[in-house]
Amino acid sequence: AQSVAQPEDQVNVAEGNPLTVKCTYSVSGNPYLFWYVQYPNRGLQFLLKYITGDNLVKGSYGFEAEFNKSQTSFHLKKPSALVSDSALYFCAVRDSNNAGNMLTFGGGTRLMVKP
Amino acid sequence: GAGVSQTPSNKVTEKGKYVELRCDPISGHTALYWYRQSLGQGPEFLIYFQGTGAADDSGLPNDRFFAVRPEGSVSTLKIQRTERGDSAVYLCASSTGTTPGELFFGEGSRLTVL
Repeated sequence: AQSVAQPEDQVNVAEGNPLTVKCTYSVSGNPYLFWYVQYPNRGLQFLLKYITGDNLVKGSYGFEAEFNKSQTSFHLKKPSALVSDSALYFCAVRDSNNAGNMLTFGGGTRLMVKP
Repeated sequence: GAGVSQTPSNKVTEKGKYVELRCDPISGHTALYWYRQSLGQGPEFLIYFQGTGAADDSGLPNDRFFAVRPEGSVSTLKIQRTERGDSAVYLCASSTGTTPGELFFGEGSRLTVL
């Protein structure tokens, strides 16, 4: 079974400050980990992924995420937040043991960046 | 367009009615997924197609839900005898099937059952 948890319903940060959106996961095999962003009335957009290799993954719009196997975490980060980053962020996982490409999503974290 | 297209964008129906939701994936994408997103929650997996066949339908909540993809491109999600609890945004995604997890999502079909 594969599952993912996003412990924060909402994260508030001031523009220009660093941001972190937390995600932890559970899989039986190796994890494939993803972050997606959802803007109002828009579809989910892929941000970045970890499959293998370097634990620090860089993605779109200046976002990055760090895979930590011992803590089973994949937190999303950005050094300097923009107001336009305000959106709903979803972490997702796929167990490498699953033959299909089905992702399990977390409940989402709303990021609010204030000017 | 080049993206995943879903129709209708909004559907309001009465309890007990039959509903069809359509998904037109990105051309050439062999894998197609249906997810359901209830208010304030993350997307929940329903069914996955590889080509014309349903490779995994373990997420369909009950036998009122059915999906087809007869020619390996467009897919239709069918809901019989709709219930108020079926109200949600139904998301479709497609992928090449070779790149883990990089799914391309449509904007969804919002279903409201009165």
